[in-house]
Amino acid sequence: ETGVTQTPRHLVMGMTNKKSLKCEQHLGHNAMYWYKQSAKKPLELMFVYSLEERVENNSVPSRFSPECPNSSHLFLHLHTLQPEDSALYLCASGGQGFGYTFGSGTRLTVV
Amino acid sequence: QKEVEQDPGPLSVPEGAIVSLNCTYSNSAFQYFMWYRQYSRKGPELLMYTYSSGNKEDGRFTAQVDKSSKYISLFIRDSQPSDSATYLCAMRDSNSGYALNFGKGTSLLVTP
Repeated sequence: ETGVTQTPRHLVMGMTNKKSLKCEQHLGHNAMYWYKQSAKKPLELMFVYSLEERVENNSVPSRFSPECPNSSHLFLHLHTLQPEDSALYLCASGGQGFGYTFGSGTRLTVV
Repeated sequence: QKEVEQDPGPLSVPEGAIVSLNCTYSNSAFQYFMWYRQYSRKGPELLMYTYSSGNKEDGRFTAQVDKSSKYISLFIRDSQPSDSATYLCAMRDSNSGYALNFGKGTSLLVTP
């Protein structure tokens, strides 16, 4: 384990379902991130939380809704997704400086 | 023009070879440069990082940054089958807050 834990590891959901992804870190980092990783594309930053406040939202569709209840936990709530939303969703934590610590990701398939 | 360009490969080399992985970028304000390694079904893990120009060595790995050419490299000496993974470059400037700009990643296969 890297210090950043993501659950579930795999998720299959229908387009009308509502589900949530969970991320947890106990590294003492003050920033947490959601990234989307699709085949043959660079990692796409979705959301950034710093000290539990959202500081960045890269034009992500409203069917993705983040929540950061405290500095150790981050959620991504999903509803009415599309098949093109199928991807690996990565959570990371870090501070200013060098790099992040990533979780192992949630492999999401929308059917 | 994309900010960070990286050849996706795949790159296949025999065990023991020297591997060179590269990225180019367009934003001259980038100052922090990182290399991540990602094994199949895992998240990326930070491998090397450098600030500004120059070289940094860690065991079999050497990271180089040439800011004048906007070009960064990762060299792997005496490559091993366990080095088979996808390698992603990432970078940011001092003022962009927290966000990193990633390349697409290069898939590397080291054959025994």
